[in-house]
Amino acid sequence: DGGITQSPKYLFRKEGQNVTLSCEQNLNHDAMYWYRQDPGQGLRLIYYSQIVNDFQKGDIAEGYSVSREKKESFPLTVTSAQKNPTAFYLCASSISAQKETQYFGPGTRLLVL
Amino acid sequence: AQSVTQLGSHVSVSEGALVLLRCNYSSSVPPYLFWYVQYPNQGLQLLLKYTTGATLVKGINGFEAEFKKSETSFHLTKPSAHMSDAAEYFCAVSPNNFNKFYFGSGTKLNVKP
Repeated sequence: DGGITQSPKYLFRKEGQNVTLSCEQNLNHDAMYWYRQDPGQGLRLIYYSQIVNDFQKGDIAEGYSVSREKKESFPLTVTSAQKNPTAFYLCASSISAQKETQYFGPGTRLLVL
Repeated sequence: AQSVTQLGSHVSVSEGALVLLRCNYSSSVPPYLFWYVQYPNQGLQLLLKYTTGATLVKGINGFEAEFKKSETSFHLTKPSAHMSDAAEYFCAVSPNNFNKFYFGSGTKLNVKP
């Protein structure tokens, strides 16, 4: 089955700790995206990648980092600089970065201990 | 600046009643428009999209939406609500050639028996 997988489903972070959220897709999509979802605020773009080895900051990139070493993978690291990391994180992909439908993974909920 | 406004963060209808979820956008160029549905603790699923051509778009699960350029609106409707329609609905706009989506803040639909 083709799709987007995110792991883990739930993730706990201690103060001062970096954590990495996984996003993998087997749809052969060029573009991938990370969003943060908070209650009542919709989705906000953290980072996006149009092609392998390229990525750009979105609207709320501070405290986050990404890499795109493989087409199918776009991991997101939540660093200790992100002071309010508790949220639901959604990964998405699209065939290209040109006005295409974005397909979403099931999400990872990050909680701070 | 691009923006998407969903009027009403919560909408409640009776089973069998008409569903109307409102979405207005601001865009300086003709946008692509999307409606997504999200069930609790899950990712977003595409309901329908408007790109070009016919302004009345039909989607999955009996939903449809009409693009009205003069009103800058893309309201989502369904003639008869089912209990399974209870979820959160997001309107999204892709306003230019690059695939950066702007999401509304979401509308939670409650369906009463």
